[in-house]
Amino acid sequence: DAKTTQPTSMDCAEGRAANLPCNHSTISGNEYVYWYRQIHSQGPQYIIHGLKNNETNEMASLIITEDRKSSTLILPHATLRDTAVYYCIVRVADAGGTSYGKLTFGQGTILTVHP
Amino acid sequence: KAGVTQTPRYLIKTRGQQVTLSCSPISGHRSVSWYQQTPGQGLQFLFEYFSETQRNKGNFPGRFSGRQFSNSRSEMNVSTLELGDSALYLCASSLGDFNSPLHFGNGTRLTVT
Repeated sequence: DAKTTQPTSMDCAEGRAANLPCNHSTISGNEYVYWYRQIHSQGPQYIIHGLKNNETNEMASLIITEDRKSSTLILPHATLRDTAVYYCIVRVADAGGTSYGKLTFGQGTILTVHP
Repeated sequence: KAGVTQTPRYLIKTRGQQVTLSCSPISGHRSVSWYQQTPGQGLQFLFEYFSETQRNKGNFPGRFSGRQFSNSRSEMNVSTLELGDSALYLCASSLGDFNSPLHFGNGTRLTVT
């Protein structure tokens, strides 16, 4: 699987935008970038994913560089409830489809939103 | 739409016993995956089932097994429990393609004493 690199921790003031970076320099052309977050003692929550184009949904925006070697997750107006571990994952797309259900989680970024 | 449901939420077992965990996927999802989360190893993939067939398996011993039923519900079994099996076990369901996200349940917290 393509390896991802994320900062260990980040801080953000409530109401400001939180920009979480991720490097995935070995990503292949058919591999998606997925973002999840996990609040303590809960299961990971899906946030957003993309292949080549920037994506936006009700939770966040995903900006993928043109060379696809890095991406940024943007939470436009962070709240205290956004405090969590954020995981950037490159989802391998094997031709046989045997890895559909396999996500390789790294250590993620601990985002702390301050009042 | 109901999310992924895992039962029980908490479980305490003794070394040597066996345990079965249950997962009900989101309606319409045919793929169910299982993960183990520990403080030391993080989130690790156990196996995935799709249409009652195991499609992929992680690097875990044979004591860890699973199955999927015709209604897509899945069970995971761990035999001869060891202290190191204490973990949060997470189930995720999806439609089963790379453009469909996995949706996770809140897990079963297993403690082995």
